[in-house]
Amino acid sequence: EEQLVQSGAEVKKPGESLRISCKASGYTFTNYWIGWVRQLPGKGLESMGIIYPGDSDTNYSPSFEGQVTISADESTSTAYLEWSSLKASDTATYYCARHNDWDDAFHMWGQGTMVTVSS
Amino acid sequence: DIVMTQSPDSLAVSLGERATINCKSSQSILSSSKDQSSLAWYLQKPGQPPKLLISWASTRASGVSDRFSGSGSGTDFTLTIRSLQPEDVAVYYCQQHYSAPYTFGLGTKLEIK
Repeated sequence: EEQLVQSGAEVKKPGESLRISCKASGYTFTNYWIGWVRQLPGKGLESMGIIYPGDSDTNYSPSFEGQVTISADESTSTAYLEWSSLKASDTATYYCARHNDWDDAFHMWGQGTMVTVSS
Repeated sequence: DIVMTQSPDSLAVSLGERATINCKSSQSILSSSKDQSSLAWYLQKPGQPPKLLISWASTRASGVSDRFSGSGSGTDFTLTIRSLQPEDVAVYYCQQHYSAPYTFGLGTKLEIK
């Protein structure tokens, strides 16, 4: 069964660093783009960026460029979203999601990781 | 970035009736190679990740009920839910999958009247 399983909820303080993960299974990890999507509490969906694990080609939304780092580890079939210095405004649920063979819609989603940043 | 504008923000429809949600892109998202528009629809229920309903403006994803249909081309699109059921209560999002970043609309909250 193809699936994306994300790491668990995190509670951090402002200024701390964080890396959350999205582990793929049931398919060839390097063959499909994976994206990250932010959902602020009670708000809509925002595309943050995407990565092609086959060559680590990455495309960031302008709103998130320089704010986060997206990476992938082929050896563990895991994609990552990382912050070097969290802000309270990063409090949100983060989803990873995968494209498919025939279009760039997000056909498969992880369950989401809730990140809370509070002093 | 391509801006996606959904309407209405919320919608209340009686069970068994039809619900219609609109989405407009700030530029054409017609793929010349596919001759189809790169528009997806998702639903999201509370506490769950989004679920893809439709891509290419009108192609239902695997396992999606035929009560859901998409239409439109270029910049104007519509999601129609026929014969509304209680399980259709959700927030619906459109997204352009034409060019990165693959931007979403702000969502339409669908409720039962």
